[in-house]
Amino acid sequence: DTGVSQDPRHKITKRGQNVTFRCDPISEHNRLYWYRQTLGQGPEFLTYFQNEAQLEKSRLLSDRFSAERPKGSFSTLEIQRTEQGDSAMYLCASNIRLGALPSTDTQYFGPGTRLTVL
Amino acid sequence: GDSVTQMEGPVTLSEEAFLTINCTYTATGYPSLFWYVQYPGEGLQLLLKATKADDKGSNKGFEATYRKETTSFHLEKGSVQVSDSAVYFCALSASGGSYIPTFGRGTSLIVHP
Repeated sequence: DTGVSQDPRHKITKRGQNVTFRCDPISEHNRLYWYRQTLGQGPEFLTYFQNEAQLEKSRLLSDRFSAERPKGSFSTLEIQRTEQGDSAMYLCASNIRLGALPSTDTQYFGPGTRLTVL
Repeated sequence: GDSVTQMEGPVTLSEEAFLTINCTYTATGYPSLFWYVQYPGEGLQLLLKATKADDKGSNKGFEATYRKETTSFHLEKGSVQVSDSAVYFCALSASGGSYIPTFGRGTSLIVHP
């Protein structure tokens, strides 16, 4: 399977704990995106990388959230001091961007990590 | 800013019924428009897309036409199947920026045998 993978698929944690999620994009994709999806809502953009550079972060991304993509391949999203409001599905997506214009706008999504904060 | 508005669900249909899910958008420039589908327990998958006015995207019997004059991209299917039961998301990717998509809230479709 050469699609986008995410790990873990489910995470239950207690309030105040730190959690880390991993995303492995499609191998030739240079862009990687993180989204949060709550029940009954569409995905909300959090941040994205082009190769290892984090190019944009949403205002939704509080200082308790940090993301990395150290070698331009997989990415991690860490949430520190989790709160109950962080409970959501965290989605990762990837695509390829060449130069100034997109070769495709299509995003390829992973299955998501469902976080439950008790 | 950019936004997408979808009809609220759930939409409940019998098998072989005609489906329409309405989507309208607000954007600057000339966005690309998408429909994504999310089956239970899975991530979003691209269903179809259109990149300019009057383009029609189609896939698996679904189709949607990019209507610039009405800023709409309604999803249609002539005869739905039980296997089409899923959540459908309309999205746009605006030109002139970072191309980060904006998604609608999603419309749940339930098809009964």
